[in-house]
Amino acid sequence: DTAVSQTPKYLVTQMGNDKSIKCEQNLGHDTMYWYKQDSKKFLKIMFSYNNKELIINETVPNRFSPKSPDKAHLNLHINSLELGDSAVYFCASSQWGGRQETQYFGPGTRLLVL
Amino acid sequence: GDSVTQMEGPVTLSEEAFLTINCTYTATGYPSLFWYVQYPGEGLQLLLKATKADDKGSNKGFEATYRKETTSFHLEKGSVQVSDSAVYFCALPSGGSNYKLTFGKGTLLTVNP
Repeated sequence: DTAVSQTPKYLVTQMGNDKSIKCEQNLGHDTMYWYKQDSKKFLKIMFSYNNKELIINETVPNRFSPKSPDKAHLNLHINSLELGDSAVYFCASSQWGGRQETQYFGPGTRLLVL
Repeated sequence: GDSVTQMEGPVTLSEEAFLTINCTYTATGYPSLFWYVQYPGEGLQLLLKATKADDKGSNKGFEATYRKETTSFHLEKGSVQVSDSAVYFCALPSGGSNYKLTFGKGTLLTVNP
């Protein structure tokens, strides 16, 4: 069974469009994250939610809006897509418990903006 | 702030060669340290971790020891296989909590038969 799943796996779209990526975890964790991986493989945190509450927003443009309907789901909506948004977006989850907790990652959503 | 400095690649080895990927960190306190691996076209998987100084994490023949005195967490494997070809990331939880991971830049490893 997949622990952290994301849909879609691939997303190709035109500039200016609005798109959403969905994430679900079945690990019973209370904290979820979105990370962005650029073309050079560099990974950077975007958002973090704990018990459906936004904890981290790392200076991400407000075109990006995360939503957590419940502890098992964290979605990412992107408005007015730009070329620079092309990247791989990873969802992750962990259990709140201090700096020893492992984060578990989804397979990623590969977004290409044309 | 907290940061991770990782040996830049790419690293190309022959099968059965010895592997070392260096990782050093700066951090507040003594966080856990992680190595993640990303196989081609896939997401990140936890490879190993260590939660305190002098701990050794190990998995699939890979090892890394948490060295407080040198602030290092170098990844080693005695005999690499073609199937080990991947990107390896060193990471630590930062920001004073477990809310986010700060990653190194990743090291691409290619193992040739």
